Amino acid sequence: DSGVTQTPKHLITATGQRVTLRCSPRSGDLSVYWYQQSLDQGLQFLIQYYNGEERAKGNILERFSAQQFPDLHSELNLSSLELGDSALYFCASSVAPQTTNEKLFFGSGTQLSVL
Amino acid sequence: GNSVTQMEGPVTLSEEAFLTINCTYTATGYPSLFWYVQYPGEGLQLLLKATKADDKGSNKGFEATYRKETTSFHLEKGSVQVSDSAVYFCALSGSPGGYQKVTFGIGTKLQVIP
Repeated sequence: DSGVTQTPKHLITATGQRVTLRCSPRSGDLSVYWYQQSLDQGLQFLIQYYNGEERAKGNILERFSAQQFPDLHSELNLSSLELGDSALYFCASSVAPQTTNEKLFFGSGTQLSVL
Repeated sequence: GNSVTQMEGPVTLSEEAFLTINCTYTATGYPSLFWYVQYPGEGLQLLLKATKADDKGSNKGFEATYRKETTSFHLEKGSVQVSDSAVYFCALSGSPGGYQKVTFGIGTKLQVIP
């Protein structure tokens, strides 16, 4: 058990809808990262938050947004969903963002299916 | 920008066979290099890491050496087991602009058959 909790584990929805994915980082970790994993694209970095503030942005669509709350949990909001958004969404956490040899702790992911 | 290239799978081996999964990278500066493993239905977990040139990371019989001259970090294991069946991700961590950014390869699926 990595200590990172993601809910829900599975989400089935329809095109055009909006969903929210939730992540609770490991106790003591201030940094949260969101990744999207799909068969054709592999693991794509979406966005990172550190202690409530956005720190780095990757290949995140404008339809997607995220935030990190004062209790350090994070939510990823996906709107106007398309079939191509179907993927496994991972959250990861680490203590701090500024050391290059620090490892990430991953949650078990949320499987999103857009029908 | 940073990038990681690793061999596409799936790789199918018999139990006790020798494993090599190739990984090469492109990065500015001196990144740290990692191998993560993802077992079925689970999130990624760190397998091993190396933080500077010529370092060798090792764990659970797996090894990888940070080769700066060839920009490579190939994963090896002398004798694989069925329980090693998983997806393996090569990754690098750099800090452009002072912020840690981890870049992953596409992942290589390993299937070990008895």
